[in-house]
Amino acid sequence: AQTVTQSQPEMSVQEAETVTLSCTYDTSESNYYLFWYKQPPSRQMILVIRQEAYKQQNATENRFSVNFQKAAKSFSLKISDSQLGDTAMYFCAFMKPAGTYKYIFGTGTRLKVLA
Amino acid sequence: GAVVSQHPSRVICKSGTSVKIECRSLDFQATTMFWYRQFPKKSLMLMATSNEGSKATYEQGVEKDKFLINHASLTLSTLTVTSAHPEDSSFYICSARDWGRAGYEQYFGPGTRLTVT
Repeated sequence: AQTVTQSQPEMSVQEAETVTLSCTYDTSESNYYLFWYKQPPSRQMILVIRQEAYKQQNATENRFSVNFQKAAKSFSLKISDSQLGDTAMYFCAFMKPAGTYKYIFGTGTRLKVLA
Repeated sequence: GAVVSQHPSRVICKSGTSVKIECRSLDFQATTMFWYRQFPKKSLMLMATSNEGSKATYEQGVEKDKFLINHASLTLSTLTVTSAHPEDSSFYICSARDWGRAGYEQYFGPGTRLTVT
């Protein structure tokens, strides 16, 4: 069975600085998708970034980028130029594109951006 | 695009009663919807996968007779908590997949806070 581990329960970063959130996973699958979701205090889950395992190039979305290391089964999220609005819970998720297509979520990292 | 709504956003019910939560995909067809439960400061726990026109697939440990799921149309799934007890108080979130889009991501509703008194 697949597992997803987020080893940093809480992190903080100064506004305008860069922060990296870690995520590791365990799977025997070769084809899968990885996601980072943000859950701000409103509790609305928002997709931050997506990575297909068959793509070697790391995904980027404006200030957000990932470091995808398939052999190491690592999928970290880098937030550049942190903003106060980035304060949220961040969840890493794994999905196998077969069967129910369900997500396996990590336990989350609470990020606080300090003014 | 890809908006999912939930209704109600908050509900308070008395112990022993049933409460229904609706999840709607507003601008796409969702053959698959997912129901999660989230405890404070915790991750999302998948309760069940709901497929349009067929029975839901429940995760291990989730009582199917207590948490009734119906997915009668391509835009609506409902979760009914039957004979609710205070321990059922929680934040319930639904999500939906848009099979018309590539990428496989789920789009989440804003959640429903259930309080059982």
